[in-house]
Amino acid sequence: ETGVTQSPTHLIKTRGQQVTLRCSSQSGHNTVSWYQQALGQGPQFIFQYYREEENGRGNFPPRFSGLQFPNYSSELNVNALELDDSALYLCASSYQGAGGELFFGEGSRLTVL
Amino acid sequence: GIQVEQSPPDLILQEGANSTLRCNFSDSVNNLQWFHQNPWGQLINLFYIPSGTKQNGRLSATTVATERYSLLYISSSQTTDSGVYFCAVWAGNQFYFGTGTSLTVIP
Repeated sequence: ETGVTQSPTHLIKTRGQQVTLRCSSQSGHNTVSWYQQALGQGPQFIFQYYREEENGRGNFPPRFSGLQFPNYSSELNVNALELDDSALYLCASSYQGAGGELFFGEGSRLTVL
Repeated sequence: GIQVEQSPPDLILQEGANSTLRCNFSDSVNNLQWFHQNPWGQLINLFYIPSGTKQNGRLSATTVATERYSLLYISSSQTTDSGVYFCAVWAGNQFYFGTGTSLTVIP
């Protein structure tokens, strides 16, 4: 059984740039959710995709967008990067669309200079 | 949104000691999970426990959904238990994470 994998693990961008983070869900899972974790805080929900459609969104601006592909892998895109976007971005997959047990990847650590 | 508070925020234990971590939530929830975040940032599943009690080795958890809290028990702590422990609750259409408990186990 393949776990959740994320790429890249670390990246550095400058303010105003755009970034794409990728996530492969655990085999058999059809739901992917993304979280932002700032230093010293708990993860904050960004959005969730279930069978290629967004079915939940947290309090994040539209410059945070995403996709889910037919194989249930997912991308998180952030446009017009700001310094406060520096954080650990975590992807989780689950089997059902609502409230299923989450399995997390190792995360992508983004630094915005 | 729902408020999720964890206590204590920080905990230092001698190896071999026992501890209880608490997670309080402000409204009814459908599911609850406990995680251990390792030093590299990965969240490791401990328990998926919307209600009742579960045990896994030295760890056990109890959720009393009607009273809006969950407890994580760690017995005979080891240095590898160090890290941050989070609870997360499902309400509405998302998981809400608690503020975390940072545990340090000293040899």
